[in-house]
Amino acid sequence: GESVGLHLPTLSVQEGDNSIINCAYSNSASDYFIWYKQESGKGPQFIIDIRSNMDKRQGQRVTVLLNKTVKHLSLQIAATQPGDSAVYFCAENEPGNTPLVFGKGTRLSVIA
Amino acid sequence: SQTIHQWPATLVQPVGSPLSLECTVEGTSNPNLYWYRQAAGRGLQLLFYSVGIGQISSEVPQNLSASRPQDRQFILSSKKLLLSDSGFYLCAWSAPTAFNEKLFFGSGTQLSVL
Repeated sequence: GESVGLHLPTLSVQEGDNSIINCAYSNSASDYFIWYKQESGKGPQFIIDIRSNMDKRQGQRVTVLLNKTVKHLSLQIAATQPGDSAVYFCAENEPGNTPLVFGKGTRLSVIA
Repeated sequence: SQTIHQWPATLVQPVGSPLSLECTVEGTSNPNLYWYRQAAGRGLQLLFYSVGIGQISSEVPQNLSASRPQDRQFILSSKKLLLSDSGFYLCAWSAPTAFNEKLFFGSGTQLSVL
């Protein structure tokens, strides 16, 4: 079936810089999108989500942008810190009574 | 507040042995429950999900089965483990509404089949 994919499998960022993690989705009817952070050996933690009636949502140091025209989702992390090093997953909810579909993940490495 | 418990944290099992992983959720009623598997350095593969007691949906045909004997209990089982069953198993729950809601994950079980 259709799935969520990622442009960059790995990303290295200098501490203090901003990070941008990208995600492409293929189902134009998807109406809910979410980002998770997973540290090594742990379960994924919720970061932020956004519904299709919005194009931007902000949290603490994080912003999610949704571009429905090009079916693109991004997670921006401001002033990246070493503790941000992890694998980040995007996921989408396709229409119909089915669970979230997860992307493959991007590993973020923060260089001190 | 809601919490999710998953155990054991690590497990080493010989090929051909049975498996039982348990997950329980507290602080909510009639949650949607999920089992995911994650191979090393890979993404999340949905194995099973359940919207109610005794209701199990299987996403991938394989050597595993799931059961939901109680509202907030989800069990992943196998009668005979294969080497390919090794991986990081994650239980998750979401609110009892449509699926366009966030999932809350447990801490995972690292299963090594030798």
